[in-house]
Amino acid sequence: DTGVSQDPRHKITKRGQNVTFRCDPISEHNRLYWYRQTLGQGPEFLTYFQNEAQLEKSRLLSDRFSAERPKGSFSTLEIQRTEQGDSAMYLCASSLLFGNEQFFGPGTRLTVL
Amino acid sequence: EDQVTQSPEALRLQEGESSSLNCSYTVSGLRGLFWYRQDPGKGPEFLFTLYSAGEEKEKERLKATLTKKESFLHITAPKPEDSATYLCAVPGSNDYKLSFGAGTTVTVRA
Repeated sequence: DTGVSQDPRHKITKRGQNVTFRCDPISEHNRLYWYRQTLGQGPEFLTYFQNEAQLEKSRLLSDRFSAERPKGSFSTLEIQRTEQGDSAMYLCASSLLFGNEQFFGPGTRLTVL
Repeated sequence: EDQVTQSPEALRLQEGESSSLNCSYTVSGLRGLFWYRQDPGKGPEFLFTLYSAGEEKEKERLKATLTKKESFLHITAPKPEDSATYLCAVPGSNDYKLSFGAGTTVTVRA
């Protein structure tokens, strides 16, 4: 399977703990995106990388959130000091440099107790 | 700010009962409109991209159409496996940030 992959698929953590998610995009895709989706809503944009450069961060991304994409390959999204309001599905997507279509991974479901 | 509104929120159909989903949008210059299918607990699956008014795309029992203010996803003679949430989205002025609607959840009963 050469699609977008995410790990882990599910994460349960206690409030105040740190969590890290990984995303592996489609290999030839230069652009990588993170979105967050809560129940009954569409995905909301969090941040975007073009190769290794993080080019935009949504105001939804508080200072407890950090994302990296070393060497322009996989990406990680870390949430520090998790809060119950962080519970959501975290989705990663990738696209070609000059293509609009974004292809999504299966997501990481985060539950903060 | 780009806005995307989908209706209805939920649609219950009998197998074979055709229907349409609506996606209305407000953007400053359309750079494409995307339809995705999302199954419970999974990521959105790309279906179609439409770029200009009058354009149509088809895939199996699904057909997407686009006007200057809205898009429709027509489901012809649906089957239970067409049950899913259908999302539409538009890219922002910088092309990369998708703004999604809340989706229409379609349930097809046998």
